[in-house]
Amino acid sequence: GNSVTQMEGPVTLSEEAFLTINCTYTATGYPSLFWYVQYPGEGLQLLLKATKADDKGSNKGFEATYRKETTSFHLEKGSVQVSDSAVYFCALSEVSGSARQLTFGSGTQLTVLP
Amino acid sequence: DAGVIQSPRHEVTEMGQEVTLRCKPISGHDYLFWYRQTMMRGLELLIYFNNNVPIDDSGMPEDRFSAKMPNASFSTLKIQPSEPRDSAVYFCASSFLGGPPGELFFGEGSRLTVL
Repeated sequence: GNSVTQMEGPVTLSEEAFLTINCTYTATGYPSLFWYVQYPGEGLQLLLKATKADDKGSNKGFEATYRKETTSFHLEKGSVQVSDSAVYFCALSEVSGSARQLTFGSGTQLTVLP
Repeated sequence: DAGVIQSPRHEVTEMGQEVTLRCKPISGHDYLFWYRQTMMRGLELLIYFNNNVPIDDSGMPEDRFSAKMPNASFSTLKIQPSEPRDSAVYFCASSFLGGPPGELFFGEGSRLTVL
């Protein structure tokens, strides 16, 4: 079956530090990969996505590259801000028949200090 | 455009009481998902619907949980009777067939506390 393994948190960084959150996956086919972000008290929202190998998803200064050879989709940002404090979820989705389910990682809590 | 709307945002109830959570998906979306989020288990998919029909309810914990979608703009998740271990944040999400698989739009969640 499909699974997503994320870097354990929590992660605490100072403002303007470099961020990496590791994500690796196991899938039977060729999944689409996603990063979702959950700000305090809110639902999840899509941050970025990549649908095939070597694609790079990017949004709000965050980037992640779909690496089929290492089955990874690590999230990076060159300079984090206090407003980036949130929980980040890596996820994958395979279309199998009518199934359109997301498999989520366990989430990584990020706190950015001023 | 209005997003996914959930109610209530917060619910505190006593063990044994019936709880009903409500969701209005984004207009035009034909998939609706119910998730549960806890510290211990993370995000769990409970059930999802396509065109108002339940497709996979294998994540529903037990018979105390039931979900319905009587029309394209409304769904309910009911817990009867509720137990303290049901305390969690319940999220509803929707998506549409024309979108990329896995691109879901989430509501703000219903935080349930069962005393």
